[in-house]
Amino acid sequence: KAGVTQTPRYLIKTRGQQVTLSCSPISGHRSVSWYQQTPGQGLQFLFEYFSETQRNKGNFPGRFSGRQFSNSRSEMNVSTLELGDSALYLCASRGQEGSEAFFGQGTRLTVV
Amino acid sequence: QKEVEQNSGPLSVPEGAIASLNCTYSDRGSQSFFWYRQYSGKSPELIMFIYSNGDKEDGRFTAQLNKASQYVSLLIRDSQPSDSATYLCAVTRGSTLGRLYFGRGTQLTVWP
Repeated sequence: KAGVTQTPRYLIKTRGQQVTLSCSPISGHRSVSWYQQTPGQGLQFLFEYFSETQRNKGNFPGRFSGRQFSNSRSEMNVSTLELGDSALYLCASRGQEGSEAFFGQGTRLTVV
Repeated sequence: QKEVEQNSGPLSVPEGAIASLNCTYSDRGSQSFFWYRQYSGKSPELIMFIYSNGDKEDGRFTAQLNKASQYVSLLIRDSQPSDSATYLCAVTRGSTLGRLYFGRGTQLTVWP
């Protein structure tokens, strides 16, 4: 069974640009959540999608958005990039509420 | 008070010893509890989960949950240098089961 797949693995962007990250969950999993990890803040929750609906949202500005497609694949978008957006972005999928969440390899975003 | 707190570490133990990692959580409505291992530069990997009070053993790992005292711990027996990593405690809450609340992690070093 394939795991969670995130693309791209690495990304370098310039301040002010926008970026789209992709996540394909484990087959059969309908919940996809996104986290930002930085050395200073640890793992911070961005949002969670289930069956194409955003169910939970963390405390990030509106520049951070996401969506989920009918095949459960999810994308997150960050507009008007700032240097502070440099981080490891992690996607996690789970089969049922409250059950184990499995992480993808992450996308390392560097904003210069 | 943070949602999830872990002993700050770093923790250093000799090979073959027992490593004890602790985590406390603030919300009594927390329902599911997870331990993730994260190697430097990698994504978190699920190693244990526990839902009920008591102990749960899986190989060299034992998770212990005490809901009355609101703590969860992870014991690693016969620690190996390959166990050297950051260990993250995560919980879910009843109102937002799709979201994981993470501690800041405890860095463990097992020296030969």
